[in-house]
Amino acid sequence: KAGVTQTPRYLIKTRGQQVTLSCSPISGHRSVSWYQQTPGQGLQFLFEYFSETQRNKGNFPGRFSGRQFSNSRSEMNVSTLELGDSALYLCASSPTIIQGNDEKLFFGSGTQLSVL
Amino acid sequence: AQSVTQLDSQVPVFEEAPVELRCNYSSSVSVYLFWYVQYPNQGLQLLLKYLSGSTLVKGINGFEAEFNKSQTSFHLRKPSVHISDTAEYFCAVKWTSYDKVIFGPGTSLSVIP
Repeated sequence: KAGVTQTPRYLIKTRGQQVTLSCSPISGHRSVSWYQQTPGQGLQFLFEYFSETQRNKGNFPGRFSGRQFSNSRSEMNVSTLELGDSALYLCASSPTIIQGNDEKLFFGSGTQLSVL
Repeated sequence: AQSVTQLDSQVPVFEEAPVELRCNYSSSVSVYLFWYVQYPNQGLQLLLKYLSGSTLVKGINGFEAEFNKSQTSFHLRKPSVHISDTAEYFCAVKWTSYDKVIFGPGTSLSVIP
């Protein structure tokens, strides 16, 4: 089974631009979560999607948005980029949000976004 | 609000020495507990998890962790570390009434030859 795939691997943008990141979950996984990772801050939860619906949202401004398609693929969009948005953005998938022994997140390698 | 604390941001340790990485969380309400490891330029991989049952859980690569409900802790241990254990370690908690996994800030483990 292919793992979680994130594209692109690296991105360089300038302030004020917008960016779209893509995540393809493991086949059969319906839940996709997004995290922002910065040095010293660890992983900050952005949002989670399940069956095309946003189930949870972290404490990020409205410039950060996402969506999930019927095939479970997810995109994350950041508008009006700021220098502080430079980070590694990680996507994680799981089979379901229902609690159980399969409780586990499968992570992609991330998209490294640099805002200049 | 739910939070996860990893008090040690960096832990240097000599090869073959024991190590403990500490994790505390904010509430003793029903939780699932996880440790993830991130090697350089990679995503996170699950080391071990506690869902229920025995409070001592064993994971991959010789790591183990103990759930202490009264102290709201889930410390990670390894009796003898190897150079290949050099990585970032993240503790994560999922409160069962709240479908969001909260990660700690991470501990950078450096194994010194």
